[in-house]
Amino acid sequence: DGGITQSPKYLFRKEGQNVTLSCEQNLNHDAMYWYRQDPGQGLRLIYYSQIVNDFQKGDIAEGYSVSREKKESFPLTVTSAQKNPTAFYLCASSIARTGGAGETQYFGPGTRLLVL
Amino acid sequence: QKEVEQNSGPLSVPEGAIASLNCTYSDRVSQSFFWYRQYSGKSPELIMSIYSNGDKEDGRFTAQLNKASQYVSLLIRDSQPSDSATYLCAVISGAGGTSYGKLTFGQGTILTVHP
Repeated sequence: DGGITQSPKYLFRKEGQNVTLSCEQNLNHDAMYWYRQDPGQGLRLIYYSQIVNDFQKGDIAEGYSVSREKKESFPLTVTSAQKNPTAFYLCASSIARTGGAGETQYFGPGTRLLVL
Repeated sequence: QKEVEQNSGPLSVPEGAIASLNCTYSDRVSQSFFWYRQYSGKSPELIMSIYSNGDKEDGRFTAQLNKASQYVSLLIRDSQPSDSATYLCAVISGAGGTSYGKLTFGQGTILTVHP
């Protein structure tokens, strides 16, 4: 089955710890995205990548880092610099970032990050 | 002014009624518009996309776009309890620079369909 997978489903972070969220897609999509959702709010863009080995900051990139070494994978690291990391993290992908129907973004199941 | 703004909820309708969800956007050159449904604790799933002025129908769902008024809506006919969810409006920016192609979400409207 084609789709987007995220792991783990729940993640607990201790103060001062870096944690990495996994996102994998087998849709052959070029573009991938990370969003953060806080309770009762819409989604905010953290980082996005249009091609392998290239990525751009979104609106709230501070305290986060990403890599895009393979087309299928776009892991997100929440660093200790992110002081309020508790949120629902969503990974998405699209055929391309711009260009008609290719812009349509599809989401993975999400990872809920909690701080101990 | 928020870039994408949805009508404040929550919205409650009886089963079988029409639910109307509204969204306005500030970017005049936006070209692509999406409605996502998000059940509690789950990720958003795409319901409709619309690119041209007018109506687009898909089963019980109709998306309406009016670019002159910078307004997009979603109508759900014959609402069912299973339609109870948060509905997110999303707009792709047509502005230049780094904003080009960016998908911006509204804050969501909670819909409850009661039997």
